[in-house]
Amino acid sequence: DAKTTQPPSMDCAEGRAANLPCNHSTISGNEYVYWYRQIHSQGPQYIIHGLKNNETNEMASLIITEDRKSSTLILPHATLRDTAVYYCIVGYGKLTFGQGTILTVHP
Amino acid sequence: SAVISQKPSRDICQRGTSLTIQCQVDSQVTMMFWYRQQPGQSLTLIATANQGSEATYESGFVIDKFPISRPNLTFSTLTVSNMSPEDSSIYLCSVGIGTEAFFGQGTRLTVV
Repeated sequence: DAKTTQPPSMDCAEGRAANLPCNHSTISGNEYVYWYRQIHSQGPQYIIHGLKNNETNEMASLIITEDRKSSTLILPHATLRDTAVYYCIVGYGKLTFGQGTILTVHP
Repeated sequence: SAVISQKPSRDICQRGTSLTIQCQVDSQVTMMFWYRQQPGQSLTLIATANQGSEATYESGFVIDKFPISRPNLTFSTLTVSNMSPEDSSIYLCSVGIGTEAFFGQGTRLTVV
C-alpha cells in the first residue's frame, strides 16, 4: 500500500503558485520524500526530493514539516504545461506510487 | 541524471505470444526496476532487476509471467509472457542513482 495521502485533484490559476499537500505520517527515518509528475502518456518526470530540509530547484520547492509527517510541493508560477498528475512518494530505491493529485492549471 | 531508452516504445501483440522489452541506460547503475501502469491507474512495481542474480519480484508478480534479465549494469529486459488482454499496460523501466530515481518513457503494450 502507498504510504502517502494526497488530494485526488486540485485547480490552480495560471501564474499563481500551486501548493500540493502530501501526508506521510508513517515515514521512517531513512526514507526520502520524492515528487514526480506524469503528463499524459509520458513516463514520470522527477521534480524534487528531500530528507529533512526544505529543498528548491529550478522547477519547484519542497517544504517538509519538522516532524516529517507531511510536505508541500510548491510550483511558484504555474503554467498550463504544469497540468499533470503529481505523485508524492516516500521511500528509498524502489518507490511505491499512490494515486497522486491531478493538478489542472486553467487560464 | 540518466538517459533511459526503452524499446519498443509501443506494440500491439496477439494473445498467447510474448514480448521482450529492453531498457538501456547511458551510465552504470546499481538499481534498476520495472513498473507497470494499467490504463487509468498509478504505477505498480513489478520487480527489482539485480545484476548477476535473479530478479526480486513484488507480491502478485511471478518470474514465469515476467522473466527479467540483467546481464550488466546498463541493460535489462522484461518479458511479458503468454499475454492476455489484461496485460495491456505501459511498462516502465526505472533506475536509482544515489538518492534519485529516473524513469524511461515506457512501452505501451496492447494485447488483442
